[in-house]
Amino acid sequence: QVQLVQSGAEVMKPGASVKVTCKTSGYTFTDFYTHWVRQAPGEGLEWMGWINPNSGATRYDEKFQGRVTMTMDTSIRTAYMELSRLTSDDTAVYYCVRKSYHESNGYDFWGQGTRVTVSS
Amino acid sequence: SYELTQPPSVSVSPGQTARITCSGNALPRQYAYWYQQKPGQAPVLIIYKDNERPSGIPERFSGSSSGTTVTLTISGVQAEDEAVYYCQSADISGTYVFGIGTKVIV
Repeated sequence: QVQLVQSGAEVMKPGASVKVTCKTSGYTFTDFYTHWVRQAPGEGLEWMGWINPNSGATRYDEKFQGRVTMTMDTSIRTAYMELSRLTSDDTAVYYCVRKSYHESNGYDFWGQGTRVTVSS
Repeated sequence: SYELTQPPSVSVSPGQTARITCSGNALPRQYAYWYQQKPGQAPVLIIYKDNERPSGIPERFSGSSSGTTVTLTISGVQAEDEAVYYCQSADISGTYVFGIGTKVIV
């Protein structure tokens, strides 16, 4: 079955970087984009960006430009999201999701989420 | 930046129909998706391609589109439908966006 399993919760200091891992199984990794979405406590969903597993191309929301890096290792079907220069506003649950190349399809499978807390 | 506009909340009695609108300038050209999120859980896709329902999603959930507005309709609302519903779409540059989310209160 399709699974996206994310790394565990993190507590980070302001100014640090965090790297979240998303290990996938049950489908052909290169047949789907990996997107990243976050949700601050009590807030809505916020789209961060995507990575194309075939080309390595990325697209980030302008809000995160210069701070976020999305990478992947296709040999182990794993995607990564690194966010730098953390502030308390980055405290959130971070989700990886898969997205078909077909624009008509939405996020049909989600990771379980990784809670990142930024606190001094 | 591109925005999708949703009402913050909708109240509905059990058995009645709930309608949630989502407006955005690019919606005539881009597909819309709807997600349901219950407390402490990851969102679940309930509508894709404006009006298609994934397997396993009850028929009481339906989507429609007209111009710059898409609508999620929940017919015969049940208590278990109390959740936050998000619309999502993309702009022509490949950037995605979510609406603020609509809390359905049953």
